[in-house]
Amino acid sequence: GAGVSQSPSNKVTEKGKDVELRCDPISGHTALYWYRQSLGQGLEFLIYFQGNSAPDKSGLPSDRFSAERTGGSVSTLTIQRTQQEDSAVYLCASSSSMGQLNEQFFGPGTRLTVL
Amino acid sequence: ELKVEQNPLFLSMQEGKNYTIYCNYSTTSDRLYWYRQDPGKSLESLFVLLSNGAVKQEGRLMASLDTKARLSTLHITAAVHDLSATYFCAVGPFGNEKLTFGTGTRLTIIP
Repeated sequence: GAGVSQSPSNKVTEKGKDVELRCDPISGHTALYWYRQSLGQGLEFLIYFQGNSAPDKSGLPSDRFSAERTGGSVSTLTIQRTQQEDSAVYLCASSSSMGQLNEQFFGPGTRLTVL
Repeated sequence: ELKVEQNPLFLSMQEGKNYTIYCNYSTTSDRLYWYRQDPGKSLESLFVLLSNGAVKQEGRLMASLDTKARLSTLHITAAVHDLSATYFCAVGPFGNEKLTFGTGTRLTIIP
């Protein structure tokens, strides 16, 4: 079956521009997560959506970062006024949240380069 | 704050040898995950460990969990080149769905 998909796979932008990253979770998965992977910081949690509940935004590094999830499915991560330190691979994951496993399945990621 | 440490960070080993990667975490947790990442690729789920003493095996990889010691191990038996990758452990306590990842162990298997 289809896994988690993300687009674009690569994004190069200039400092100060806004970018939008998209995530399509596995069909039927109610939980969706964004993580960031960078050389200096490793893998960091950014934000978590569960059904219709308010998202857990505790990992967002600044107010330039925001995310939304429409219709309980597709999610968009927006970074405004990008900075060079935003360069990283942005990973999306989803899980069914059924039972206690909470096994998260990751997408291929979007590699963001801010020049 | 939950912290997860892995060691070693880098591991170069010969084919056919055995080795263990260690994952320590700082606070009580009910769930421990192991992921594999190939260069330029995303994370592939390997194991989910839920309880003290849990052991899971898949091929040449075996993972175990000791919740009292806050320690998980990933044991590699008779390594083969295909196992070369970066391995991450992650912790996700019940009631806290986000995962906290370790630093990763870059494993290189030398023929």
